[in-house]
Amino acid sequence: DQQVKQNSPSLSVQEGRISILNCDYTNSMFDYFLWYKKYPAEGPTFLISISSIKDKNEDGRFTVFLNKSAKHLSLHIVPSQPGDSAVYFCAASERGIQGAQKLVFGQGTRLTINP
Amino acid sequence: NAGVTQTPKFQVLKTGQSMTLQCAQDMNHEYMSWYRQDPGMGLRLIHYSVGAGITDQGEVPNGYNVSRSTTEDFPLRLLSAAPSQTSVYFCASSYGGESTEAFFGQGTRLTVV
Repeated sequence: DQQVKQNSPSLSVQEGRISILNCDYTNSMFDYFLWYKKYPAEGPTFLISISSIKDKNEDGRFTVFLNKSAKHLSLHIVPSQPGDSAVYFCAASERGIQGAQKLVFGQGTRLTINP
Repeated sequence: NAGVTQTPKFQVLKTGQSMTLQCAQDMNHEYMSWYRQDPGMGLRLIHYSVGAGITDQGEVPNGYNVSRSTTEDFPLRLLSAAPSQTSVYFCASSYGGESTEAFFGQGTRLTVV
């Protein structure tokens, strides 16, 4: 059973508007949540993260919100730019041996920013 | 700025062949890991390592072996390739402790026929 889910395979947004990407999870033991951005033929690149004890983290145009009671997080991009067009992965962190971070990924959402 | 380097970028194998996917990082990271990405799915953890000589299984370890003899290198071995192992493989590394950012390589696209 998938512990991290992104229910929207794709999202199309006009340039300058807000993009909102959503993610749901089932495991209450996750201690961090992360967003990664991926361009074709490249590896994922880290975007922003949030600790499970926080409800909001902001970095420039990117803000992540965490609602622990609903087991839901979202990534807001304001304003959206053409270079934001990519696949966005939500990931949750659980701990393995010696506290190693193990990432559990959602399926990804393809964001397209239209001029 | 090499970061995480994976070789090869592309590979075609016949069923039953073995091969090793190479991964090297130059950031002196303690943690290294291997993920696979299949169409319509997110990345899934295969194996990970917390330092030289210490490895553990992830979510989908069957058919793969790893070892870590140095901090820099973390190769992934396919012992007897199967069509179900056709996938894109990503290696990642990160600092230990509370660090949440993992750095990924560019990936190896593997096809098993």
